[in-house]
Amino acid sequence: QQQVKQSPQSLIVQKGGISIINCAYENTAFDYFPWYQQFPGKGPALLIAIRPDVSEKKEGRFTISFNKSAKQFSLHIMDSQPGDSATYFCAASNSGSRLTFGEGTQLTVNP
Amino acid sequence: EAGVVQSPRYKIIEKKQPVAFWCNPISGHNTLYWYRQNLGQGPELLIRYENEEAVDDSQLPKDRFSAERLKGVDSTLKIQPAELGDSAVYLCASSLRGGREQFFGPGTRLTVL
Repeated sequence: QQQVKQSPQSLIVQKGGISIINCAYENTAFDYFPWYQQFPGKGPALLIAIRPDVSEKKEGRFTISFNKSAKQFSLHIMDSQPGDSATYFCAASNSGSRLTFGEGTQLTVNP
Repeated sequence: EAGVVQSPRYKIIEKKQPVAFWCNPISGHNTLYWYRQNLGQGPELLIRYENEEAVDDSQLPKDRFSAERLKGVDSTLKIQPAELGDSAVYLCASSLRGGREQFFGPGTRLTVL
């Protein structure tokens, strides 16, 4: 019940396109859903996070869409840029519990 | 403000040797985490500290792994003896007490030969 499943494993997008990464969870007690961005040789860095009381959160070119009934959430990167090329992890937790990460999506944005 | 500091950044050892990793969290962060990240996978929590108390170490292989956080600031993670399967990146993270946002260090890449 602690799993978070992420897809796709890898994604190639042209500059200016939309990148979409999806995650699904099982534990209905999860109440915090962050997305982390990781560049090679660096630790993950928080990109954007959402709580289940809202269906969408937007910060600049990054948007989280959240579907509580389907237990799914997704990251949309608008106007994708080569500098967005990185590995993206979704995660989930509930208060006092460990942060459970998805397996990651390696995004490549071609110029 | 300085981020989470980890050392060493890279470590190569022979199997059965001991190894230790050090972490200095962001100033004022009471909560400290150690994660292991295998190649191509997401980080997995090994242990979480609230100040100097380990409050979640259920995923720490206690036969060979140990950790300490003396004085509730810096922390050390030790493996003794190391096995081939321990090759991974060991990440340290910190957060404010009760805070959800975790700040990660750059990690230590361990290679066990």
